[in-house]
Amino acid sequence: QVQLVESGGGVVQPGRSLRLSCAASGFTFSSFAMHWVRQAPGKGLEWVAVTWYDGSNKYYADSVKGRFTISRDNSKNTLYLQMSSLRAEDTAVYFCARGLGELQNWGQGTLVIVSS
Amino acid sequence: EMVMTQSPVTLSVSPGERATLSCRASQSVSSNLAWYQQKPGQAPRLLIYGASTRATGIPARFSGSGSGTEFTLTISSLQSEDFAIYYCQQYNNWPRTFGQGTKVEIK
Repeated sequence: QVQLVESGGGVVQPGRSLRLSCAASGFTFSSFAMHWVRQAPGKGLEWVAVTWYDGSNKYYADSVKGRFTISRDNSKNTLYLQMSSLRAEDTAVYFCARGLGELQNWGQGTLVIVSS
Repeated sequence: EMVMTQSPVTLSVSPGERATLSCRASQSVSSNLAWYQQKPGQAPRLLIYGASTRATGIPARFSGSGSGTEFTLTISSLQSEDFAIYYCQQYNNWPRTFGQGTKVEIK
């Protein structure tokens, strides 16, 4: 079955960087677009970024453009989110999800807290 | 950016009753709309895509309708496990956008 497992979350100071990972299994990772979606505590879902199945195209939410970079390593079945210049408002659970249109499968998320 | 507006914010329903949730897009998204269910402490789960197609394993009591800018998710007879927050999401344009959610609670 499809499994997506995020890791790399934690507490980080404002202005610092953090890299999240999403390990995929149970499907042909290199055939699917992958997304990051986040959810601030007690809030709704916010789409963050997408990478095409081969990494050829990437899109970002305006709120993270220029600070976050999505990437993937198809040889390792792993999706990444490099986050820099972190702000308090980036505090959220970060989910990875599979699909280009609808998000067919989701991981359980990893919590990022940006605080001094 | 496409704005998705869900109503109501909270819906109080008794078990066995019908629930009707609405989602409105600020511009046409054709049928490129999905619905997700999220329970506390869990990841969202895809219910409906293409505005009206149930995802794999989703019970027939969930149905979606609409196109363009107006969409509806209907739960025909609420079960205890259906009390949750429901989000719509458009995938017609970038950036992808979600509605703010409708919480379905026990009346």
